[in-house]
Amino acid sequence: GDSVTQMEGPVTLSEEAFLTINCTYTATGYPSLFWYVQYPGEGLQLLLKATKADDKGSNKGFEATYRKETTSFHLEKGSVQVSDSAVYFCALSDRGGGATNKLIFGTGTLLAVQP
Amino acid sequence: GAGVSQSPRYKVAKRGQDVALRCDPISGHVSLFWYQQALGQGPEFLTYFQNEAQLDKSGLPSDRFFAERPEGSVSTLKIQRTQQEDSAVYLCASSFEKNTEAFFGQGTRLTVV
Repeated sequence: GDSVTQMEGPVTLSEEAFLTINCTYTATGYPSLFWYVQYPGEGLQLLLKATKADDKGSNKGFEATYRKETTSFHLEKGSVQVSDSAVYFCALSDRGGGATNKLIFGTGTLLAVQP
Repeated sequence: GAGVSQSPRYKVAKRGQDVALRCDPISGHVSLFWYQQALGQGPEFLTYFQNEAQLDKSGLPSDRFFAERPEGSVSTLKIQRTQQEDSAVYLCASSFEKNTEAFFGQGTRLTVV
């Protein structure tokens, strides 16, 4: 079945460092790809998404490019801030699969940014 | 309300007890999802409603789990005869329609002792 694999954390960076969180997927169809973020004490929030190959999703300085040839959707940010400390989840949704349109998540990556 | 609301936020149940978890989706949202998130893991799909119709319950782990959304708005996830392995955060999400952004509640943390 469809699955998502993302790098294990925690990832600890200093403020203004470059961030990459790797995400690869396995899917039989043509999924949409997402990054969700969970800040401490809050619910999951959509950070960015891409719906087809070569699309780039971006938001709040984060970006990720849908790479069909490498089945990847790596999250990047050029300069992280302390406020970016959170758990990041990569996810996919099979747009063509029946009525459900459910999300399949990776295990999450904890990012800790130190001042 | 402004977002998806779940109650209670925390629930401690004795093994064997029945529990009911409530989800108030964003007003007007047609689609409603339940997910289960074990400690240190990503959320896993449980079930999906479109209005009052439960169109997919393939993720429910056993027949002790039951969900309903009788009027197409509020939904309840019921777990009968709780077991320790049911301890997790239960997340509810709603979206306006299929293929639109899903908004998540803060979840209910269930601890079975």
